[in-house]
Amino acid sequence: GAVVSQHPSWVICKSGTSVKIECRSLDFQATTMFWYRQFPKQSLMLMATSNEGSKATYEQGVEKDKFLINHASLTLSTLTVTSAHPEDSSFYICSAKDRVFSEQYFGPGTRLTVT
Amino acid sequence: KQEVTQIPAALSVPEGENLVLNCSFTDSAIYNLQWFRQDPGKGLTSLLLIQSSQREQTSGRLNASLDKSSGRSTLYIAASQPGDSATYLCAVSSSNTGKLIFGQGTTLQVKP
Repeated sequence: GAVVSQHPSWVICKSGTSVKIECRSLDFQATTMFWYRQFPKQSLMLMATSNEGSKATYEQGVEKDKFLINHASLTLSTLTVTSAHPEDSSFYICSAKDRVFSEQYFGPGTRLTVT
Repeated sequence: KQEVTQIPAALSVPEGENLVLNCSFTDSAIYNLQWFRQDPGKGLTSLLLIQSSQREQTSGRLNASLDKSSGRSTLYIAASQPGDSATYLCAVSSSNTGKLIFGQGTTLQVKP
């Protein structure tokens, strides 16, 4: 089946630094990728929709200048958490929508801890 | 605004029992509904996807039903096993864009 990878799987950073998370579709092309965040014992909240070659669409309440999304190719989207703060600590999960079959596949997630 | 609710939040059953997880949504104009499984600290595994025109989908011991008019879906797990222990998430999509609205999940524990 289709595979979506995320890198890194976990990261610890200091407050004020920036962290980049990669989401890759390994064996299919994805014109659309989605970024979610999940707090402990809570559900997934959609942050933004990333479309290849265009600007991301952010959900209400999500700061686009803080969570920079780049979808430069049909297999890669990146999420950069800028000037991270402890409250940004969360589990970030991406999903990729297959360009041909419209199935959506989820990555394994990235655990971000900001100290 | 679409809201998805799952009941119960947690469930503990002995091995072998059949069980039902519930999902409700406020806006019946959905494109499709999906059930996912999430193990602790892991990503999501898609279990079943039901298109808006369908009433149910089956995969092995899992059966998901959809009643769009009443805004409800159920996930039926037959002959539960300890390996079924996980959090089960229901998510709805209102269009073919792929945007999903998730419920809070039901955490299932199946005791040996």
